[in-house]
Amino acid sequence: AQSVTQPDIHITVSEGASLELRCNYSYGATPYLFWYVQSPGQGLQLLLKYFSGDTLVQGIKGFEAEFKRSQSSFNLRKPSVHWSDAAEYFCASRGNEKLTFGTGTRLTIIP
Amino acid sequence: ETGVTQTPRHLVMGMTNKKSLKCEQHLGHNAMYWYKQSAKKPLELMFVYSLEERVENNSVPSRFSPECPNSSHLFLHLHTLQPEDSALYLCASSQADRASTDTQYFGPGTRLTVL
Repeated sequence: AQSVTQPDIHITVSEGASLELRCNYSYGATPYLFWYVQSPGQGLQLLLKYFSGDTLVQGIKGFEAEFKRSQSSFNLRKPSVHWSDAAEYFCASRGNEKLTFGTGTRLTIIP
Repeated sequence: ETGVTQTPRHLVMGMTNKKSLKCEQHLGHNAMYWYKQSAKKPLELMFVYSLEERVENNSVPSRFSPECPNSSHLFLHLHTLQPEDSALYLCASSQADRASTDTQYFGPGTRLTVL
């Protein structure tokens, strides 16, 4: 069965600093990979997705993610975070089954 | 973001009440989903409808009853719920066919509290 691991439950970053959120997936082949963001009391908004081709994917709000097959990873990055980026971030994968989510990483931004 | 809408946004109900959650998608998709999001747990897929037919039911208790009258609307009928059913209920839709990437788009959710 496929699974998604987000090893960091909570990350705190200073405003303006760079950010990297980790995601590892478990699946025999290359799955479809997604990052979603959830602000408090809101639904999930799609940030970006990877299906094939260029392993560096650009998303909305200045986010990017890099697919690394050798590490089974799909880490999310942003060069300079803004206070409005404070939210919960979910990595998800879909092989030939349903969409599987990680447990999420809560991002706190400090001044 | 008005692609997927959900009503009500907040709902408080007693254990003996009957209520319904509504989801509507304006994206022309052919598949719709119900998820349950509880604190400190991964998202749980409850139901999947594709072309208005239920294709997956992940052993959800019968006190939750879905209905999909057409490809744009999805309901979740609730009756005799338990306090542990309190959660955020999320609806999503996607275009589920071989030519698409089946990306799911989510609504804002209904925050349900069962007293």
